[in-house]
Amino acid sequence: QKEVEQDPGPLSVPEGAIVSLNCTYSNSAFQYFMWYRQYSRKGPELLMYTYSSGNKEDGRFTAQVDKSSKYISLFIRDSQPSDSATYLCASPGNNAGNMLTFGGGTRLMVKP
Amino acid sequence: NAGVTQTPKFRILKIGQSMTLQCTQDMNHNYMYWYRQDPGMGLKLIYYSVGAGITDKGEVPNGYNVSRSTTEDFPLRLELAAPSQTSVYFCASKALSYEQYFGPGTRLTVT
Repeated sequence: QKEVEQDPGPLSVPEGAIVSLNCTYSNSAFQYFMWYRQYSRKGPELLMYTYSSGNKEDGRFTAQVDKSSKYISLFIRDSQPSDSATYLCASPGNNAGNMLTFGGGTRLMVKP
Repeated sequence: NAGVTQTPKFRILKIGQSMTLQCTQDMNHNYMYWYRQDPGMGLKLIYYSVGAGITDKGEVPNGYNVSRSTTEDFPLRLELAAPSQTSVYFCASKALSYEQYFGPGTRLTVT
């Protein structure tokens, strides 16, 4: 079992929809979670990070962590075609290099 | 601030050739990382460094070497290139917090 798992998609939604992107993780030691956005042929770009449980909001984006079910979510409100990208969740392990464990990514397509 | 820069953007190698992928960051970050990303796959860590002079292996180090002589630079060396090394390579860096910042990537094809 991979430590961080994501549905690869693609997830196709109409413009203006609320999008829910999800990850599950298996390592109880994971405390800190990040979401990266990766446009085609570009490097991953840090979108949001959150610590432990609860919600964190930044504009149209909300990151949510449910530690009891080992489930993390990214919600995008009023989705735009410019949100079309692959979204990667990640968590650092408890290791000397703070290496990130990434999910495989979910490809999102927002259609005008 | 340029952030993390990588050169070259693209490269085609023949089997058995060698090359160095360059990575430079101007954020004075101690930690630096090399990842590879295969089509439709997530990121796999090749090597990382926690500071100048200190490097360590990641998940997929075979066929690669690194060095870290300065804080800014973290080159990745491919010796005897193989088709299995066809991939997109990303360099990343971070400070003391967990968030890593990525470069634009190098697309490598080995034929």
